[in-house]
Amino acid sequence: NSKVIQTPRYLVKGQGQKAKMRCIPEKGHPVVFWYQQNKNNEFKFLINFQNQEVLQQIDMTEKRFSAECPSNSPCSLEIQSSEAGDSALYLCASRGGNTGQLYFGEGSKLTVL
Amino acid sequence: GDSVTQKEGLVTLTEGLPVMLNCTYQTIYSNAFLFWYVHYLNESPRLLLKSSTDNKRTEHQGFHATLHKSSSSFHLQKSSAQLSDSALYYCALSGNNRIFFGDGTQLVVKP
Repeated sequence: NSKVIQTPRYLVKGQGQKAKMRCIPEKGHPVVFWYQQNKNNEFKFLINFQNQEVLQQIDMTEKRFSAECPSNSPCSLEIQSSEAGDSALYLCASRGGNTGQLYFGEGSKLTVL
Repeated sequence: GDSVTQKEGLVTLTEGLPVMLNCTYQTIYSNAFLFWYVHYLNESPRLLLKSSTDNKRTEHQGFHATLHKSSSSFHLQKSSAQLSDSALYYCALSGNNRIFFGDGTQLVVKP
């Protein structure tokens, strides 16, 4: 069973508000991914970290999102100014080993009113 | 670049019938891993199957898939669908520190 912990499970924000989500990856997993699962159930890659360093991120993440994965603290993903289109399930996943298998958290469901 | 294609967005079938969900991919990595993840409502997605070995069948929980590098395919199959198999199924590919997901196939199994 996955031990990736995501909080909060649900959050509701108004447009323009900040929205912050946290993720504790599985112990010993150095790589952390954030995905957005949209209303069409498609997984959209946002950003990934190896240890505390950003490996890759998409343009949207670079401009409106801030994310970090400090040592000894939860990883976080924050939307600086929420938009209606940001309403989605945000999934955190961690990866250890060589196969690339991901272990997912249960997600944080964001609703932007 | 790397990509995964799941051509069926929705598959609806009757309990007891065989299941086949299609997955094809593109990658430059000869040792890429292919995965099937299953996502039940209100749960986290979890791994169902994985493989990097050409022409070797991998099985788990009644599902099976065989990676065919010659056709770049990793179709998910089950001989007899159960109601509890209703879920979203994602095919995924690992490479270059990224995991590339298909758009997912919603499987609906009816009595």
